[in-house]
Order: sequence, then structure tokens, then C-alpha cells
Amino acid sequence: SYELTQPPSVSVSPGQTASITCSGDKLEYKYASWYQQKPGQSPVVVIHQDTKRPSGIPERFSGSNSGNTATLTISGTQAMDEADYYCQAWDSSFVVFGGGTRLTVL
Amino acid sequence: QVQLVQSGAEVKKPGASVRVSCKASGYAFSRYHMHWVRQAPGQGLEWMGIINPNDGGTGYAQKFQGRVTMTRDTSTNTAFMEMSRMRPEDTAVYYCARVANQCLDNWGQGTLVTVSS
Repeated sequence: SYELTQPPSVSVSPGQTASITCSGDKLEYKYASWYQQKPGQSPVVVIHQDTKRPSGIPERFSGSNSGNTATLTISGTQAMDEADYYCQAWDSSFVVFGGGTRLTVL
Repeated sequence: QVQLVQSGAEVKKPGASVRVSCKASGYAFSRYHMHWVRQAPGQGLEWMGIINPNDGGTGYAQKFQGRVTMTRDTSTNTAFMEMSRMRPEDTAVYYCARVANQCLDNWGQGTLVTVSS
């Protein structure tokens, strides 16, 4: 079965750029999405189809996908961005999630 | 606006079954696939399966084959997830989520299911 690998944690200082990676075999040939989840809340999609930002998601969130790695980049990270982030891809019609990355803003 | 409203928290004994509902509004229910995802306490997201509300076709993660059944009622725009032979390790928040734009673009609020004797 298809697997996605994320680092368990990433730390960033306020105002700096945070990058969260997601690795999977030939991931560039699958659409990658990213979800933000804050404690006690449902996940929210912040990037879909590799690079697209849903309405209402701040411009500081961006995505890329090349080779075996998709990357979520948060520019000018704010304290409110502290959350768990999950990447997701498709294995035929089935959904695959990465293990999640806790982003700490300190 | 799109809304997915799930049923309330459940407490079940080991071996019992649970049925969680997900009522959709604000869009054409039959046109968008619905997925179910669960999250154990302190753990990541785990995909369970998919239902096509148009024809009722389903697909389940191998881990849940034989224990989970996903159905829908198009007259009430509601999707259902039923899991049998519940175990303590099935304690989790269960989410429904709609698919659009190649992603899970709208999620229910989650339903906490606790399995305990």
C-alpha cells in the first residue's frame, strides 16, 4: 500500500518561514493536499492539488510537489499557525494520509 | 454554505456496534463522494473508506474490511458509517468529509466514540 512520510515535528520562530515535507514514491504524479488541525477542531484544507489555496486561506500558505516530495511552506509564520499538519494523496480512489507534523512557533 | 453535521458522542461496550450519521446540506449530496476518517486520542488521521452517494458504491481500507459498512439515504442527504465488533482501540473521533477539488474540502465536526467495559 502507498505510504506518505512526514517529520514528526518542525519548529519555527515567528515571522520566519516554515517548511514541512511529505515523501512518497513518485508523489509528483499524484495530487497532494495539506490539512491544518488545531486542538479539538476538525481538519481544514490549506492546500489542494499541490499548489492551490482555498478561499479564506492566507497567502502565506503555499505548496509544491516534485519528484518524491511535496512541501508545505508557511511564509511569515504566525503564532496562530501552530497546529498539526497532515499531507494527503490518492491511491486510486483511496485516501492516504501522512503521519502528521506538529508545527511549533516559538 | 456546505455543512456536514454528525451525530452525537457514543459510548459502547466491547463487541457492540456503532452507527454514526453525517447529514449534509448546502450542496447536491449525490454529486460528491463522502469519506470517513478517524483519529484516535493523540494520534494521526486514519482513512476508513469512501461512499459514492449517487449509487451507494463503497470502498474500504483493508484494515476495516468486514467490520465497517457505509451507507447513505438520499432522501435525507445523510451518510452513515457503521462499525461492528468494537474494541477499546476503536476509541476515536470519527469524521465524515466531502471530496471536491481532489481534496477533503469540508469536514463534519467529528463524533467521539468511546469503547469501554
